[in-house]
Amino acid sequence: DVKVTQSSRYLVKRTGEKVFLECVQDMDHENMFWYRQDPGLGLRLIYFSYDVKMKEKGDIPEGYSVSREKKERFSLILESASTNQTSMYLCASSLSEAGASTDTQYFGPGTRLTVL
Amino acid sequence: QKEVEQDPGPLSVPEGAIVSLNCTYSNSAFQYFMWYRQYSRKGPELLMYTYSSGNKEDGRFTAQVDKSSKYISLFIRDSQPSDSATYLCAMSAGYKLSFGAGTTVTVRA
Repeated sequence: DVKVTQSSRYLVKRTGEKVFLECVQDMDHENMFWYRQDPGLGLRLIYFSYDVKMKEKGDIPEGYSVSREKKERFSLILESASTNQTSMYLCASSLSEAGASTDTQYFGPGTRLTVL
Repeated sequence: QKEVEQDPGPLSVPEGAIVSLNCTYSNSAFQYFMWYRQYSRKGPELLMYTYSSGNKEDGRFTAQVDKSSKYISLFIRDSQPSDSATYLCAMSAGYKLSFGAGTTVTVRA
């Protein structure tokens, strides 16, 4: 079975802190994604990566950056956390090449981040 | 207007009932249509996947896509308490998925 793990299930940070969210997948998938999930808004794509060191902005990249130094690991970085970044963050991975999301995306359990 | 509209519910049905969920969308370029199920405190998992218009059945689950009306549906027959979850529709024309807000379903024993 594909396994996508996220470093923390719950995280509480203060405004202005730098926050790192880590995601690891164990199936040699090419593509990895970061979403945030908010009530009434569904999942919104923040960034995705279709190869090591490659990244593309999603729908809501402002205030976030990402890093993919190794194929299995995709990190989301909040340079200076703000209260409006309080949310559930979901990482996903998929197999197909060139960032095509038509292949099945496998999700991690999520990190619930609270910024005070 | 959102690209994908989904009634958030919540929806509460007795065990054994048929659950009917639907989404509408505005982007006529969407060709791939999916339903994800998300249990509480878990990540979404793919339930059904359909390409273009038509029906697809998998056990108690049936997905329908009507591209002419820009409308997709998911039916759950003989619903069970274990079907209690949030159901998200998702669709794509290429590299990224667009999700509905999700409908929370509770099946009462």
